[in-house]
Amino acid sequence: QSVLTQPPSVSGAPGQRVTISCTGGSSNIGAGYDVHWYRQLPGTAPTLLIFTNNKRPSGVPDRFSGSKSGTSASLGITGLQAEDEAYYYCQSYDNSLSGVVFGGGTKVTVL
Amino acid sequence: QLQLQESGPGLAKPSETLSLTCTVSGASISGSSYYWGWIRQSPGKGLEWIGSIYYGGSTYYNPSLKSRVTLSVHMSKNEISLSLSSVTAADTAVYFCARPTFYYDSSDNYNWYFDLWGRGTLVTVSS
Repeated sequence: QSVLTQPPSVSGAPGQRVTISCTGGSSNIGAGYDVHWYRQLPGTAPTLLIFTNNKRPSGVPDRFSGSKSGTSASLGITGLQAEDEAYYYCQSYDNSLSGVVFGGGTKVTVL
Repeated sequence: QLQLQESGPGLAKPSETLSLTCTVSGASISGSSYYWGWIRQSPGKGLEWIGSIYYGGSTYYNPSLKSRVTLSVHMSKNEISLSLSSVTAADTAVYFCARPTFYYDSSDNYNWYFDLWGRGTLVTVSS
């Protein structure tokens, strides 16, 4: 069971917006630690999608956005495209566990 | 262009020590101020941080694995190594080498994220 909780799956039609939640607690997101997001296509390594809550690395389209509030964070994908089908993971730091923690991952399906 | 490449045996026997290497190309480990790390992913499961190491040698380990893990930097070979002792079937996973960025935020919290990943190498623990 992951320290950060994500929905197992979300889906949407092409062009729609989907949101993935990442819920933590008082020792990680609620303690002020930043949240980062990764995308993983099947059979490949994860790639950084959002860092420091809402910043995009160069090359990541502005269809992807991140936010953080309280003990939760969320990733938004607008203008959903077939190529967005992948697993998405959130990540933060937990001061009670003294280590990096990941969410369990969310599979995005484009209908 | 900086690249990371994991290598090592794809099979380990229970109770043995697993050793993996991450070769860094496109930049010198000793010439930078980077951290380096390892993350694993069990089949069909999520991501688990194993540990991170500063090029100068400071190490940070997942407490759940700390008693069995050793990370090392080999500057002459431009490599980072992972050693995991007393492996069991639960250690079967794809092991990724990754470069973490470490920073302090405005609240003095230290944060990590991983901005570069290797392709990963599958290790199966089986007799």
